[in-house]
Amino acid sequence: AQKVTQAQTEISVVEKEDVTLDCVYETRDTTYYLFWYKQPPSGELVFLIRRNSFDEQNEISGRYSWNFQKSTSSFNFTITASQVVDSAVYFCALRGNAGGTSYGKLTFGQGTILTVHP
Amino acid sequence: DTGVSQDPRHKITKRGQNVTFRCDPISEHNRLYWYRQTLGQGPEFLTYFQNEAQLEKSRLLSDRFSAERPKGSFSTLEIQRTEQGDSAMYLCASSSRLATRRRHEQFFGPGTRLTVL
Repeated sequence: AQKVTQAQTEISVVEKEDVTLDCVYETRDTTYYLFWYKQPPSGELVFLIRRNSFDEQNEISGRYSWNFQKSTSSFNFTITASQVVDSAVYFCALRGNAGGTSYGKLTFGQGTILTVHP
Repeated sequence: DTGVSQDPRHKITKRGQNVTFRCDPISEHNRLYWYRQTLGQGPEFLTYFQNEAQLEKSRLLSDRFSAERPKGSFSTLEIQRTEQGDSAMYLCASSSRLATRRRHEQFFGPGTRLTVL
């Protein structure tokens, strides 16, 4: 069985602060994929990043960065110099190997509500 | 390119009524997924189609739920005899291992928010 845990239910920061969203996952698959999605108040899930289990290189994209640590089964997401527009619910998700019976379905965490105050 | 669309965006119904939702995936995508998201939770997988074949159904999908994808294009999700516990956002996503851009990744639609009174 696969599981994703986002222990932080809500985070509140002031604009320009850095914020890290935690994600811990469980899977028995040797190959898997991790994702982060953003869900603004409009409701549509917006893809942010995908990381393959065999690639532990961290990634930076503008103000966003991701820290993947296989040894601790974590895939944390950091927003640097947060802005009000970053306010949203952020989901971490796991997809197992698309072979076998998983068919590529995503297992999501409970989400972290991020509020950035001006 | 055109994204995933869902119709209606909102549906209010009375307990016991039947409802049907539609999802139009990205045209080149052969894989289609339905998820349900209740308030304060992440989306949960309901069912998966590869072309017109329904290959997996979650245990969340009771016998009151049925999904179809005729001809491997759009999909419908029907809920019969709705209950208040069915109130949720129903999300559709599509993907394709053959896509030139973001292969395997799921593109989500805006969702249909169902309220059962």
